[in-house]
Amino acid sequence: AQSVTQLGSHVSVSEGALVLLRCNYSSSVPPYLFWYVQYPNQGLQLLLKYTTGATLVKGINGFEAEFKKSETSFHLTKPSAHMSDAAEYFCAVTNSGGYNKLIFGAGTRLAVHP
Amino acid sequence: NAGVTQTPKFRVLKTGQSMTLLCAQDMNHEYMYWYRQDPGMGLRLIHYSVGEGTTAKGEVPDGYNVSRLKKQNFLLGLESAAPSQTSVYFCASFTGLENTGELFFGEGSRLTVL
Repeated sequence: AQSVTQLGSHVSVSEGALVLLRCNYSSSVPPYLFWYVQYPNQGLQLLLKYTTGATLVKGINGFEAEFKKSETSFHLTKPSAHMSDAAEYFCAVTNSGGYNKLIFGAGTRLAVHP
Repeated sequence: NAGVTQTPKFRVLKTGQSMTLLCAQDMNHEYMYWYRQDPGMGLRLIHYSVGEGTTAKGEVPDGYNVSRLKKQNFLLGLESAAPSQTSVYFCASFTGLENTGELFFGEGSRLTVL
C-alpha cells in the first residue's frame, strides 16, 4: 500500500528565506510523486510532478523538488519565499500499478511573514 | 473549457437525510475521484473510477456510494448522512500517468450534517 507522510503541519518562514517542505513516501513499486498547492477556498493546483527521468524537477512559481529513492523523499523547496506563497501544500503518490489512484499527505500550511 | 464542475457548492443536511453530489468534467478523462478534506487529515480518497461504468473503493468508502454512468459525470451519494460526514468534498479528474499525469480539481462542495 502507498502512503505519504508530510513532516510539519505548519511551517513559518520570513519573506526572502528558503522554503523547505518535507515529504516522505512509501511505495512497493517505483512511485510517481506530486506536489499540489491549495489557496484558501480553492481546489488544488499542480505545482510539479516526478514520473521518470531527472530526479530534480522544477515547477511553477519557482518551486522545485528532488526525488531521492534512497531516502524515500520528495522534499519541496524554493530559494526565496514570497508573501504570495502562503498556502497549504500537499504531497501525493501513485504508481503505474495503482489504477492511477493518488494518495495524499495530510498537508503543510506555509505562512510567510514580512 | 469549464474543467471540473461540482454541484452543489454548499449544502446543509439533517442526520439521516440523503443527497447526491454531482461532478462533471469536459476533458474526456477516464479517471475520476472523490476526496474529502478535513482539517489536519489532508485529502482522503473516498471512491474512484477508471472509466465509464466502473467504480472502486478508496481509503474511506463507508457511508458513500458512487456511480459513473457517463464518462463525463461522477456522482457521490450519501444515503443516510451522519455528522461525521461534515466535510469539504473535492472531485478530480486525471489525465492518467500515460499522458501528462495531471489531476484537475473542482472547487469543492462544503457539506454540513447537523
